[in-house]
Amino acid sequence: RKEVEQDPGPFNVPEGATVAFNCTYSNSASQSFFWYRQDCRKEPKLLMSVYSSGNEDGRFTAQLNRASQYISLLIRDSKLSDSATYLCVVNPYNNNDMRFGAGTRLTVKP
Amino acid sequence: NAGVTQTPKFQVLKTGQSMTLQCAQDMNHEYMSWYRQDPGMGLRLIHYSVGAGITDQGEVPNGYNVSRSTTEDFPLRLLSAAPSQTSVYFCASSYSIGRDREDYGYTFGSGTRLTVV
Repeated sequence: RKEVEQDPGPFNVPEGATVAFNCTYSNSASQSFFWYRQDCRKEPKLLMSVYSSGNEDGRFTAQLNRASQYISLLIRDSKLSDSATYLCVVNPYNNNDMRFGAGTRLTVKP
Repeated sequence: NAGVTQTPKFQVLKTGQSMTLQCAQDMNHEYMSWYRQDPGMGLRLIHYSVGAGITDQGEVPNGYNVSRSTTEDFPLRLLSAAPSQTSVYFCASSYSIGRDREDYGYTFGSGTRLTVV
């Protein structure tokens, strides 16, 4: 079993839609969780951290379910500019060694 | 503030050649790492360093060497290039988790696209 698993997609949604991605992780002792965004042929960039109580940043909401070992990312009112690959990142060993999911590709269409 | 600078951006090597991918950061980050990204496989850790003079192996270290003589620089050396090393390479840096900061997410360089023929 991979340490971090994501649905690869692609997710194709119209502008204005709400879309959600899930990610599961295998190490129940994992401490830190992140979502990164990667545009085509670019480097990954930190989108948001995921906190135990859930957190929101504008149209983006991240949630953590430790019992089921998954994290989610919700994007409301999708914009064309949201088209990218979203990487789920988990810190399973409480050090700087992050483990990356393979990414979920999102395309937002007019 | 340049962040993480990687060079070169593109490189074509012949099998058996060696080369060094350069990575430099100006954020005084303790932690630096090298990843390779292949389609459908996500980012895989090659080597990492928690500070100057300290390096360690990641998930896929074979065929690569690193050194960390300064806080700023973390070069990756391909010893004898093989077609299996064709990939996109990313250098990343962050504050050490021991700093008790929440913002220890990675900052990535813009990547090096390497083709070995």
